[in-house]
Amino acid sequence: AQSVTQPDIHITVSEGASLELRCNYSYGATPYLFWYVQSPGQGLQLLLKYFSGDTLVQGIKGFEAEFKRSQSSFNLRKPSVHWSDAAEYFCAVEGGSYIPTFGRGTSLIVHP
Amino acid sequence: DAGVIQSPRHEVTEMGQEVTLRCKPISGHDYLFWYRQTMMRGLELLIYFNNNVPIDDSGMPEDRFSAKMPNASFSTLKIQPSEPRDSAVYFCASRADSKNIQYFGAGTRLSVL
Repeated sequence: AQSVTQPDIHITVSEGASLELRCNYSYGATPYLFWYVQSPGQGLQLLLKYFSGDTLVQGIKGFEAEFKRSQSSFNLRKPSVHWSDAAEYFCAVEGGSYIPTFGRGTSLIVHP
Repeated sequence: DAGVIQSPRHEVTEMGQEVTLRCKPISGHDYLFWYRQTMMRGLELLIYFNNNVPIDDSGMPEDRFSAKMPNASFSTLKIQPSEPRDSAVYFCASRADSKNIQYFGAGTRLSVL
């Protein structure tokens, strides 16, 4: 079975500061990994994905994530946060079934 | 492409009434998923279809919930009778194949009074 944990329910950062959102997964082999963003009243939009290859993945809106097999982690990072980044962020893991399991989400609050 | 289209965006109904949520997937996508999102339980997979055939409905809460996909361009999720605890945001998502990403609709916010 696959599972994913996002340890932080809320994260507050100042605009311009760096950001790291944590994601830990459980799966017996190398999974597919995803980060989605959800703005209020909207559906989930894919930020980036890891299928294989380079463990540092670049996504849209200046986000990146690094797959660390030894830590079973796929943390999302951004060097400088903008007020428009305030949203809910979801990490997801897919194993052999190709059906994703989503984390509970992390709410990002950006202070001016 | 217009993306995944869901209707209505908002639905307010009274307990006991029938509710039908609709979804139009992206053209050419073989997979369609229905999710429910609540504060308490997060994002839950209810059911998914492959080539219009229901593959896994183990996430459907109970017999009051049913889903159909009569053709490749349309799916419905029906709740009959509805209860206040069904209040949630329901998302539809589609996917080209098993090795691709999901695209989500904007969701239907359901309130059962």
